[in-house]
Amino acid sequence: GEDVEQSLFLSVREGDSSVINCTYTDSSSTYLYWYKQEPGAGLQLLTYIFSNMDMKQDQRLTVLLNKKDKHLSLRIADTQTGDSAIYFCAESMGSNDYKLSFGAGTTVTVRA
Amino acid sequence: DVKVTQSSRYLVKRTGEKVFLECVQDMDHENMFWYRQDPGLGLRLIYFSYDVKMKEKGDIPEGYSVSREKKERFSLILESASTNQTSMYLCASSSLYTNGGTEAFFGQGTRLTVV
Repeated sequence: GEDVEQSLFLSVREGDSSVINCTYTDSSSTYLYWYKQEPGAGLQLLTYIFSNMDMKQDQRLTVLLNKKDKHLSLRIADTQTGDSAIYFCAESMGSNDYKLSFGAGTTVTVRA
Repeated sequence: DVKVTQSSRYLVKRTGEKVFLECVQDMDHENMFWYRQDPGLGLRLIYFSYDVKMKEKGDIPEGYSVSREKKERFSLILESASTNQTSMYLCASSSLYTNGGTEAFFGQGTRLTVV
């Protein structure tokens, strides 16, 4: 979606941290999401953050939100080969919480 | 295990054909969506529905229509298929969390090729 932007590719060595970045334009976004798509599969929700939070941690995943700059990032610690996938940033807005707007997706390739 | 099931994984259709893509969810969700996914463009919303017999246009509805006669089923219709509709089509369903936010559950996708 044109309102959510991500870089298209990221290559990372196994065991390193991955950082995937996303910018969005709508300041009324209430929730921001990260979805993962493995090859041949649909998307699956990884984590989400409410817009009044700065950070959320869930095991190897850390989400950082800079609301002033409208910047969202997903950090994956100790990246594994199973983390190779396409990662989508998405936002939902106010009264239309159920309607998601997705970025183009970042293809993460984990190399040995 | 929650499920969104799309009727076909792969379809090949001819230009001008009428094409039906079917989607069924077993989670009693109010909301259902059809997206298309193209490299470098991500997911673009075609149509969505927040209730039976209700539908709303998404960002790219031209050349498509939808039908939601039952809560669990949401169909995407290509009235006259064209080669620029060759794409991966993803169906999703969702409901709202009680404390706000939503989780969309996706089907595995239908790869449609129009020749």
